[in-house]
Order: sequence, then structure tokens, then C-alpha cells
Amino acid sequence: GAVVSQHPSWVICKSGTSVKIECRSLDFQATTMFWYRQFPKQSLMLMATSNEGSKATYEQGVEKDKFLINHASLTLSTLTVTSAHPEDSSFYICSATTGTRSNQPQHFGDGTRLSIL
Amino acid sequence: GENVEQHPSTLSVQEGDSAVIKCTYSDSASNYFPWYKQELGKRPQLIIDIRSNVGEKKDQRIAVTLNKTAKHFSLHITETQPEDSAVYFCAPHGGTNAGKSTFGDGTTLTVKP
Repeated sequence: GAVVSQHPSWVICKSGTSVKIECRSLDFQATTMFWYRQFPKQSLMLMATSNEGSKATYEQGVEKDKFLINHASLTLSTLTVTSAHPEDSSFYICSATTGTRSNQPQHFGDGTRLSIL
Repeated sequence: GENVEQHPSTLSVQEGDSAVIKCTYSDSASNYFPWYKQELGKRPQLIIDIRSNVGEKKDQRIAVTLNKTAKHFSLHITETQPEDSAVYFCAPHGGTNAGKSTFGDGTTLTVKP
């Protein structure tokens, strides 16, 4: 149980393109979804916290107009990287939690490797 | 926000030996303490977790110990195997961080056959 599906797994596109990444909880309702960014050989850096039906909460230093997050249902959250540039190239991972208590494990998607040329 | 320190950053052991990784956190209100294993190019996977009302938890070769007074928790792997080689992250959660996790910098564990 608790499977999270993330698509696409790999994106290569030209500078200036906008890229949408989907994160779906397949067998549970995700009250909260998280979006992380991971550079090679580094830790996961939280970008934003997404709750269904409300605006995402962005971490300090993350541009909300650059990284658009939508959490329209309890099973789907999307991250759109707008007008992507080479410095946006990274590994983006979503995770989801169940329930309303804060002490719940995170279930991660397989990640999306984004390469901007 | 939460300050998390993880030590050591790299750890190399012989197959069959034990490995211990320590995670120190700053937010005394944190209430959930998981450890994740991430293999190269893959997603993090939860391997063991502990909640604030428990001091120790064990699952076969893996155990986690929590010292809330000193604000640290540790991952213990016994009888290590080559397939245990990966990057391990601690991610204390909850408390004043409003339900989100702060990941440690990671420990690269190499188990030599």
C-alpha cells in the first residue's frame, strides 16, 4: 500500500520551456504532499508543502511564480517549472502523507530528472 | 527552523560488521523520527521510524534509538551486507515545523564484501 506515482521520470527540454510534473497517490488519499529538489550527491531540499484545496506553502528562497504548485484533489498534485533555465536542472521528488497527524511517514514518488539545455 | 546534523558523512565497513549513524536535531517539539535509504538515482525509502513516546525500536537487522533529552536518534545496522550500501537520511518531523521534515545531509554507507 501507499504507492505514489510521479510522471514523467525524465525530461529534457530547451531553455524557456515550461515543464509540468505530476504526483499521484494511487491507493490512498494524500492530505499533504511535499515537493523536494535534490542536486547530485546532496540532500533533499524541501521546496513547498501542498495541501488539497489550498495554496501551497513555499520554503524561503523558493520562487512561487517560478515553481507553480497545484493540489486540486486528494490524489493529485502538480509542479510546473515555468520558463525553465539550465540552473533549474535537478532531480525533483514528491512525497505524500496520509492522515492529519504530523507524525506520519512520507511515501515518495520515483522522482523526475529534469535537464534543461 | 529545525537544524539537523548527521554523522558520519561517509562510513565504510566490512560485510558482517555493524554500522551506526547518528542524527542530532534542534527542535525539542519534534515527534517523529524516520530513517530513509536512498540508492543511486532512486527514491528514498523508509526503513525504520520511531515516535517520541518510544526509546528504541528494532526490525530484524535494523534498529533505531531515540534520546529526546539529548535530541538525537541513531540508526543501527547489524550484520551488514553489500546490498545495505546506499545513502541514509534522517528526517526529524513535526513539532514547530508544522508537520514537515528537515532532512539531514546524508551518510554514504559502503559495505565491502
